[in-house]
Amino acid sequence: DAGVIQSPRHEVTEMGQEVTLRCKPISGHDYLFWYRQTMMRGLELLIYFNNNVPIDDSGMPEDRFSAKMPNASFSTLKIQPSEPRDSAVYFCASSTKSGVSNQPQHFGDGTRLSIL
Amino acid sequence: GENVEQHPSTLSVQEGDSAVIKCTYSDSASNYFPWYKQELGKRPQLIIDIRSNVGEKKDQRIAVTLNKTAKHFSLHITETQPEDSAVYFCAASTGRGSTLGRLYFGRGTQLTVWP
Repeated sequence: DAGVIQSPRHEVTEMGQEVTLRCKPISGHDYLFWYRQTMMRGLELLIYFNNNVPIDDSGMPEDRFSAKMPNASFSTLKIQPSEPRDSAVYFCASSTKSGVSNQPQHFGDGTRLSIL
Repeated sequence: GENVEQHPSTLSVQEGDSAVIKCTYSDSASNYFPWYKQELGKRPQLIIDIRSNVGEKKDQRIAVTLNKTAKHFSLHITETQPEDSAVYFCAASTGRGSTLGRLYFGRGTQLTVWP
């Protein structure tokens, strides 16, 4: 399996621009998670989906952030307009569930975002 | 919701020594506890996990123990090597209800193994 695939790996853009991060989960996984990682705040859960439906978006910092999952194999995280404080590494992860037990989350390689 | 505390935040050991990282959780319904290793500039990778019906699990130099009564679990690395240097994260999951599927992560432990 190719694992969780994220694109782009690096993104540098100017403040005020729209940024779109993309994620392809592992085939067959029905959970998809978006995380943000910074030195100051550690690993934060932004939003997660189950069967393409958002379950918890309480971690989304503000209205500038939005996420969609139009189908089981694709999700986007959008920031509009972007600000320098959005600079971070954004990880996508996917998992599934077996019976009443959770299975491990598998992370993509992340997108390193720099807002100038 | 669940709250996971992780200690210490940094840990330095000499090569060959053992390292122990401890985590506590607050929700007694939590039943799944994975550990992730994140090397600098890389993604978090699962190294071992344990479920609530097991008290201990080993995989070569790595072991995890779980005390459900006290609500804490620990990662033990024996015979540490420089390549064990990384940030280690613990996590917990209830596997049910409104938080189904979600992992609650600790803040991480930066482990440095000196040759």
